[in-house]
Amino acid sequence: NAGVTQTPKFRILKIGQSMTLQCTQDMNHNYMYWYRQDPGMGLKLIYYSVGAGITDKGEVPNGYNVSRSTTEDFPLRLELAAPSQTSVYFCASSYNWAINSNQPQHFGDGTRLSIL
Amino acid sequence: GQQLNQSPQSMFIQEGEDVSMNCTSSSIFNTWLWYKQDPGEGPVLLIALYKAGELTSNGRLTAQFGITRKDSFLNISASIPSDVGIYFCAGQVKTSYDKVIFGPGTSLSVIP
Repeated sequence: NAGVTQTPKFRILKIGQSMTLQCTQDMNHNYMYWYRQDPGMGLKLIYYSVGAGITDKGEVPNGYNVSRSTTEDFPLRLELAAPSQTSVYFCASSYNWAINSNQPQHFGDGTRLSIL
Repeated sequence: GQQLNQSPQSMFIQEGEDVSMNCTSSSIFNTWLWYKQDPGEGPVLLIALYKAGELTSNGRLTAQFGITRKDSFLNISASIPSDVGIYFCAGQVKTSYDKVIFGPGTSLSVIP
């Protein structure tokens, strides 16, 4: 099984450019999440979705947008890239909410994004 | 806002040694989670704790939910090279979306 697939794995952007980070899961999970991971800071939730057509802001949503037109896909969009958005981005999915150990979050391998 | 502190920040140990790491906060959490992240991969859930005082094991790993609900520890017994990675604690609080807050991580290196 593929699990959670993120593309691209690496990307370098210029300030002001836009791009979409792709995330797809093949486990028919209802919940999907986008996190950013900065050195020494742990993971911070950007946006999440509890099902197709429903998205909500997490802890650090500014500068990002998401959509959830299908159960499988949850793309993250940066409209005007800024140096502060240099980070590693992780997409995750789960059948139920993140804290359920019987149905844990499955993470993708991350997208390493640098804004120069 | 809520914040988690993990100690130590990093540790180098000899293969076969036991490992102990802590997670503390000034805030109360309803659930504690421990994750491991291997280089170049996403985090994987190791243990989830749901009640104050709860002690849970998963193979060589043991974790406890502190009585005060403000801390948790993770122990690894008889470490092996594949234990290398970053260990994150995470706490869950009740908000509009059951917010999960991650600690900064403890980096573990195991010397064969």
